[in-house]
Amino acid sequence: QKEVEQDPGPLSVPEGAIVSLNCTYSNSAFQYFMWYRQYSRKGPELLMYTYSSGNKEDGRFTAQVDKSSKYISLFIRDSQPSDSATYLCAMSANRDDKIIFGKGTRLHILP
Amino acid sequence: EAGVAQSPRYKIIEKRQSVAFWCNPISGHATLYWYQQILGQGPKLLIQFQNNGVVDDSQLPKDRFSAERLKGVDSTLKIQPAKLEDSAVYLCASSFGQAGNTIYFGEGSWLTVV
Repeated sequence: QKEVEQDPGPLSVPEGAIVSLNCTYSNSAFQYFMWYRQYSRKGPELLMYTYSSGNKEDGRFTAQVDKSSKYISLFIRDSQPSDSATYLCAMSANRDDKIIFGKGTRLHILP
Repeated sequence: EAGVAQSPRYKIIEKRQSVAFWCNPISGHATLYWYQQILGQGPKLLIQFQNNGVVDDSQLPKDRFSAERLKGVDSTLKIQPAKLEDSAVYLCASSFGQAGNTIYFGEGSWLTVV
């Protein structure tokens, strides 16, 4: 079992829809959870960063962590064509630990 | 604020040849990372520097890969000799301290080995 599992997609949704992206993980020591967005031919950029369980909201984006289920989610409200990208989940046990990335989910928002 | 700079952006070489990638991190960032991202995969850490010292190089294939950060600022990643499976994007990233969670990536150096 891989440490971090993420469905590679692609996921295609119409503009304006709510998008749900998910990752599962096996290492119960993970405490720091991140979502990165990666546009084609670009490096990943940090989108959301959460510690432990709970929700965090930033504009149209909400990150959710359920440590009991070892499951994290990223929700995008009112999706826009500019949200079309690959979304990578990432996590680490401690602030200074190596970050483990998921494979990424390719998202297409259809105008 | 300037981001992480990498060069070259694209490189095509034949197997068994050598290649070098250069990275200049964000000014003031003490920690520098080299990641390998194979198509369809997430980034995998190759090596992490804190200033000019190596913090983690456990996943660096040391028989063919080498990296240095001599003055604690810019860094070079070298592959010699290259194999077909080295075809990937080589991402450089940096962070202010050892807070590895908030790291900033460059645009990557795309390597194709033929």
